[in-house]
Amino acid sequence: DTAVSQTPKYLVTQMGNDKSIKCEQNLGHDTMYWYKQDSKKFLKIMFSYNNKELIINETVPNRFSPKSPDKAHLNLHINSLELGDSAVYFCASRPSGRPLYNEQFFGPGTRLTVL
Amino acid sequence: QKEVEQDPGPLSVPEGAIVSLNCTYSNSAFQYFMWYRQYSRKGPELLMYTYSSGNKEDGRFTAQVDKSSKYISLFIRDSQPSDSATYLCAMTYNTNAGKSTFGDGTTLTVKP
Repeated sequence: DTAVSQTPKYLVTQMGNDKSIKCEQNLGHDTMYWYKQDSKKFLKIMFSYNNKELIINETVPNRFSPKSPDKAHLNLHINSLELGDSAVYFCASRPSGRPLYNEQFFGPGTRLTVL
Repeated sequence: QKEVEQDPGPLSVPEGAIVSLNCTYSNSAFQYFMWYRQYSRKGPELLMYTYSSGNKEDGRFTAQVDKSSKYISLFIRDSQPSDSATYLCAMTYNTNAGKSTFGDGTTLTVKP
């Protein structure tokens, strides 16, 4: 299936641990994103990569580090997890050559719970 | 103050009702306006987008933009239980960075 996929779907871990979330898109898109959605459904952009180059880096603690090995993959590594990191993390991608509007295709989300 | 404010909800309506979902924004540089629908435990998906002021219709859905008032709306006619979801407005500048600013979302429940 063509889609944006994320692994794992659920992640439960202890405070202080380091964890990674992986994202892959097979849509041929050039731009990928990471968003954090809190319990109140607010969707906040964290990072964006275009062709493996970081283009958006919002005010995010440096415990969060994105890595894009190629334009189809964007992973998120989180060091020293804190309780406030508990949220749903969404990966998204955007087709190239569409400046008119910014349709993004979202993955299913990774529900992170920090205990 | 947030750049995009969305009516918080939640909203609960009977099947067949007309639903109005609304967002206001403060930055007149926004040029493109979108509505995403997010079902429970799923990622958002684009429902509609508009560029200029006016109305755009797609089936039971109408997106309305009033740039002079910095106000956008999504109307759902003859609402169905399958419309139950969280609706997020999103706005973007015309840049290659493709950064959209999202509203907080309104959760809609349509009761049969």
